[in-house]
Amino acid sequence: DIVLTQSPGTLSLSPGERATLSCRASETVSSNYLAWYQQKPGQAPRILIHGASSRATGIPDRFSGSGSGTDFTLTISRLEPEDFAVYYCQQYGSSPRITFGQGTRLEIK
Amino acid sequence: QVQLQESGPGLVKPSETLSLTCVVSGYSLTNGYYWGWIRQPPGKGLEWIGSIYHSGSTHYNPSLKSRVTMSVDTSKNQFSLKLRSVTAADTAVYFCARDVKAAGWDYWGQGNLVTVSS
Repeated sequence: DIVLTQSPGTLSLSPGERATLSCRASETVSSNYLAWYQQKPGQAPRILIHGASSRATGIPDRFSGSGSGTDFTLTISRLEPEDFAVYYCQQYGSSPRITFGQGTRLEIK
Repeated sequence: QVQLQESGPGLVKPSETLSLTCVVSGYSLTNGYYWGWIRQPPGKGLEWIGSIYHSGSTHYNPSLKSRVTMSVDTSKNQFSLKLRSVTAADTAVYFCARDVKAAGWDYWGQGNLVTVSS
């Protein structure tokens, strides 16, 4: 199985700041099939990025994804109050097993 | 607008079978894509359970494969999950979602909390 390790576990920032979240895979993610999700308390996850760097429909351009192979990054250029949530990376290139990282909690400083 | 809605009992006894159904509206299952289940134990992360195509083709998480069966009913535009021999470790919020393969999981249900307890 491909293990995804996210860092940091918790990130404390202020609105307006830049957030950088990391996702490292234990082996190469096939076809860069790496997605990022945002989850708020009591809600389902919402897809932000797929294919490592493609924004999903309706996602603001302050969210961007980058990386390839085993190292991936989600960047939020200027944090808005509604961006404070838990973020998960997911790889879906290793069929039949889809795996998730353990999550990064983005909290208000 | 694609919408998914899970339904099923909120409480299941240990050793019994957990059964959930996901009704899809705004999109016909026969138009394509996989459809799947993901769960989240309280306060923890996400775990993929499995995915199913409208033809009935399935992919299961190997760690759950021996206890999982997924099925699809295109006449009702819904798909279902059965998880046998449950224990307290299966207590979680169960989400259904659309699996667009190359583009991740784009539409999700609101989640159904299932507690395993006697």
